[in-house]
Amino acid sequence: AQSVAQPEDQVNVAEGNPLTVKCTYSVSGNPYLFWYVQYPNRGLQFLLKYITGDNLVKGSYGFEAEFNKSQTSFHLKKPSALVSDSALYFCAVRDRGSTLGRLYFGRGTQLTVWP
Amino acid sequence: EAQVTQNPRYLITVTGKKLTVTCSQNMNHEYMSWYRQDPGLGLRQIYYSMNVEVTDKGDVPEGYKVSRKEKRNFPLILESPSPNQTSLYFCASSLLAGENIQYFGAGTRLSVL
Repeated sequence: AQSVAQPEDQVNVAEGNPLTVKCTYSVSGNPYLFWYVQYPNRGLQFLLKYITGDNLVKGSYGFEAEFNKSQTSFHLKKPSALVSDSALYFCAVRDRGSTLGRLYFGRGTQLTVWP
Repeated sequence: EAQVTQNPRYLITVTGKKLTVTCSQNMNHEYMSWYRQDPGLGLRQIYYSMNVEVTDKGDVPEGYKVSRKEKRNFPLILESPSPNQTSLYFCASSLLAGENIQYFGAGTRLSVL
């Protein structure tokens, strides 16, 4: 069965420190991988995605994510956190080998960056 | 402006009273989807549509119906709402499925009493 795990409900970091939000996945084939961010009272916004090629993907607002096939992980990272990065982050996966349009989301990780 | 529009944004109703949440996109996207967001459960897909007249079940389709009669609209229908359908609902669209990114509406907060 396809699934996405975000093992941390909450991540707290100080402004200026690096941050990591973890994601692991389970799909039967090769995945498309996504990160989305949700600010309070807003819909989700796309951050970045992995399709193929370089395992390090760069996205919006200085975020990047590293795809690790052997560990089936796609962790979100940022070298220097900002207070404005505080939000709810979702990892999502789709099996590229499937003709179905199912998209699986993790439970979300609340990131809090304190000044 | 490219957008996904959901209406209403907030809705309070009673058990058993049929309701429809509308979703419209102006980007000529083929793929549309409905999700519900619940604390601790993240986003769960209810239904999705790969194109006009093509719909399929997601993770939690029970108690919901959808239709896709035209490309821009994808309404979510609750024929007989129950309190366990109290949730935050999001509509999303993308050009296609696959690696395409999804654009989300602002959400509909539904309370069923």
